[in-house]
Amino acid sequence: DAGVIQSPRHEVTEMGQEVTLRCKPISGHDYLFWYRQTMMRGLELLIYFNNNVPIDDSGMPEDRFSAKMPNASFSTLKIQPSEPRDSAVYFCASSEQPGRQGAFFGQGTRLTVV
Amino acid sequence: AQTVTQSQPEMSVQEAETVTLSCTYDTSESNYYLFWYKQPPSRQMILVIRQEAYKQQNATENRFSVNFQKAAKSFSLKISDSQLGDTAMYFCAFMKGGSQGNLIFGKGTKLSVKP
Repeated sequence: DAGVIQSPRHEVTEMGQEVTLRCKPISGHDYLFWYRQTMMRGLELLIYFNNNVPIDDSGMPEDRFSAKMPNASFSTLKIQPSEPRDSAVYFCASSEQPGRQGAFFGQGTRLTVV
Repeated sequence: AQTVTQSQPEMSVQEAETVTLSCTYDTSESNYYLFWYKQPPSRQMILVIRQEAYKQQNATENRFSVNFQKAAKSFSLKISDSQLGDTAMYFCAFMKGGSQGNLIFGKGTKLSVKP
């Protein structure tokens, strides 16, 4: 398996623009997580899905952020409108058995909002 | 709420030496898991080792081992025979047992292995 695949690797956008981050989890993994990493706040969970259903979205910063998982092999994280404080590395991770395996992370998307 | 604390922002070690990274956590849960992740400059998050709270035996993976002290809520990582490729950020993480699958991370320790 190729692992968790995220696209794009890097994204530079202007404030106010819509940004869509994409993730393909490892086949067979029922759990999918979106994390954000910043220097100030470290790694924080934004939202996670189990069997394509959002289970906990309490980490989503505000209404500008939305995440979807239309099927078992694809998820998106959308920011609309984007702001400079959204600049961060966004990780997608997946797992079949989180307690036994932890989570397998993608390479991350570095988002810069100017 | 659970918290994870890594009190050493940066550490360095000579190649081939042993280094221990500290981690403490706070929880009222009895069933949980603990993890160490490595993040090299490539940015990839890599699982190093995991520990189940109900197991008293400390986990070991090759040169990596943990010292799990449940009563003290301590979960340190020992790296033996350090290699240049071990240079990375190391994150300690907590996960509740049961159906909860999300990881709660500490702020990380930047480890530099010097030749």
